[in-house]
Amino acid sequence: DIQMTQSPSSLSASVGDRVTITCRASQGISNYLAWYQQKPGKVPKLLIYAASTLHSGVPSRFSGSGSGTDFTLTISSLQPEDVATYYCQKSNSAPHFGGGTKVEIK
Amino acid sequence: EVQLVESGGGLVQPGRSLRLSCAASGFSFGDYAMHWVRQAPGKGLEWVSGISWNIGNIDYADSVKGRFTISRDNAKNSLFLQMNSLRAEDTALYYCAKYMLNAAGWGAFDIWGQGTMVTVS
Repeated sequence: DIQMTQSPSSLSASVGDRVTITCRASQGISNYLAWYQQKPGKVPKLLIYAASTLHSGVPSRFSGSGSGTDFTLTISSLQPEDVATYYCQKSNSAPHFGGGTKVEIK
Repeated sequence: EVQLVESGGGLVQPGRSLRLSCAASGFSFGDYAMHWVRQAPGKGLEWVSGISWNIGNIDYADSVKGRFTISRDNAKNSLFLQMNSLRAEDTALYYCAKYMLNAAGWGAFDIWGQGTMVTVS
């Protein structure tokens, strides 16, 4: 199975900061990469699919990039409501998740 | 309203069985692949199993292969997960999720249920 590795596992940033989370696949997965946000005690929400396509209703401060094995989720200006754990996922067959990145406000 | 509602969780002894259900509404259930994802307390998301719209493709995570069986009834808009030989490490909140696929063939889990808790102890 293809393994998904996220880094960092946690980060703390100030409101307004640019935040970047990285996801690496153990083998090439083209653009079959999705990002999810899970706020504390809540159900995961789809943010981005196909590596860079913003899901309906997701704020434009979120963006995704990458292809093959290396992917990035960027929050251009961190807001208090963005406190959450973010997961990448290989989004085709055997859709495994990365370990998650917990984002907090400094 | 598009909705997924899981049921069937509970407290069960190791080695016993449990069957989870997921009732779908608000969308054409039979047109979409469906999946089960679990989350152990305080841990990350773990994909468990998936089934294609026509039951032609079924897949399992290695951690549950041979013990869990996914199925669906498109006439009843329902997804199921039969869990046998349960272990303590299967303790988790189990979500069902709809796999959306756009015209270009890219997909992801766009709709999630609230989850049903399974405790093996």
